[in-house]
Amino acid sequence: NAGVTQTPKFRILKIGQSMTLQCTQDMNHNYMYWYRQDPGMGLKLIYYSVGAGITDKGEVPNGYNVSRSTTEDFPLRLELAAPSQTSVYFCASSYLGWEVYEQYFGPGTRLTVT
Amino acid sequence: ELKVEQNPLFLSMQEGKNYTIYCNYSTTSDRLYWYRQDPGKSLESLFVLLSNGAVKQEGRLMASLDTKARLSTLHITAAVHDLSATYFCAVDMYSGGGADGLTFGKGTHLIIQP
Repeated sequence: NAGVTQTPKFRILKIGQSMTLQCTQDMNHNYMYWYRQDPGMGLKLIYYSVGAGITDKGEVPNGYNVSRSTTEDFPLRLELAAPSQTSVYFCASSYLGWEVYEQYFGPGTRLTVT
Repeated sequence: ELKVEQNPLFLSMQEGKNYTIYCNYSTTSDRLYWYRQDPGKSLESLFVLLSNGAVKQEGRLMASLDTKARLSTLHITAAVHDLSATYFCAVDMYSGGGADGLTFGKGTHLIIQP
């Protein structure tokens, strides 16, 4: 299993541009998450999904959109990029069932908006 | 709003010494996680603590959870240089049996010197 994969690894955007960060997991997890990590800080939840077709806002959703059309994929869309969105973005997935679950994180996408 | 506070935020210690990192959280939760992050890398799961009184150990690291005090500790025994990293605690925001994402502390930047 590849686990959680993210593309791209790095990206530089100009203010006002848009882009989609890709996230795929091959563990058949039902839950998926997007977090951002600013320098020297912990992660903050942007959006999450409990299954295909179902998404919900986290702590810092403004400026982002998500969709979940399949179990495997959970892309994050940035519209009208702003310098405040310069951050490292992590996708994670987990399985919630009768057993213990934990979140598995992807390698991250480092985004700079200038 | 769930708040997670770690202390200390920065810790420099010598090899061979023992130390404890503390994680306090503000609302009822019985799922607490410890992660390790190396510079420029993703998060690596260390421990998942699921109930009051839970204690887990892996090598020189031991984590415990007191849900009544809303406190978790990560104890380092006889520190070695390889344990230098940033350590995060995170609390599950779940309610009603779901899994609504994690709230992270700001992290403890640990440097272990020879």
